[in-house]
Amino acid sequence: QQKVQQSPESLIVPEGAMTSLNCTFSDSASQYFAWYRQHSGKAPKALMSIFSNGEKEEGRFTIHLNKASLHFSLHIRDSQPSDSALYLCAVSAATSSGQKLVFGQGTILKVYL
Amino acid sequence: AQTIHQWPVAEIKAVGSPLSLGCTIKGKSSPNLYWYWQATGGTLQQLFYSITVGQVESVVQLNLSASRPKDDQFILSTEKLLLSHSGFYLCAWSLAWEYQDTQYFGPGTRLLVL
Repeated sequence: QQKVQQSPESLIVPEGAMTSLNCTFSDSASQYFAWYRQHSGKAPKALMSIFSNGEKEEGRFTIHLNKASLHFSLHIRDSQPSDSALYLCAVSAATSSGQKLVFGQGTILKVYL
Repeated sequence: AQTIHQWPVAEIKAVGSPLSLGCTIKGKSSPNLYWYWQATGGTLQQLFYSITVGQVESVVQLNLSASRPKDDQFILSTEKLLLSHSGFYLCAWSLAWEYQDTQYFGPGTRLLVL
């Protein structure tokens, strides 16, 4: 059964800092890896996703995937107060009836001025 | 443009009472639909998914049921609420199933069971 763990649980960084969030998973056969962001009281919103090993950059956000080490990460360059939110990683998992998405428990990020 | 609506926005219900939550997607034909539950401060957990009208698969057993009576509608319900049902219920849609395309979430329904 797919297990997804995030670290750290929470993070406080100054504006302009580089922020790194981590996610580990247990099923090496997973095919889809994504990061979602959830502002307080709101629904999660997809940030980025990746399917194969390597790196993908979109604006200030970069996602790294290393399937061999069962690890992927999100890096936020020049962190802004508006980036303060709950960050959820998600990994696909095979079930008897198809694929499902398993989310980590989240990392709370606070960016201060 | 696609829009996703959930109703009601919030509910306060008594233990043992019935519940029905709804979700409607407009602007997208035959989407895959999902129900998620998020306890306060807790992990987002997938409850049900549906890839077509009338077909719903359960992912986690939480004494809840789901139905898809129309292509653009997904209903979550139970006949008897438990205290543990409190939380944030989110409906989501995506296009692809096998490769887990991006899921787009609705605004959610907050449920408090007393």
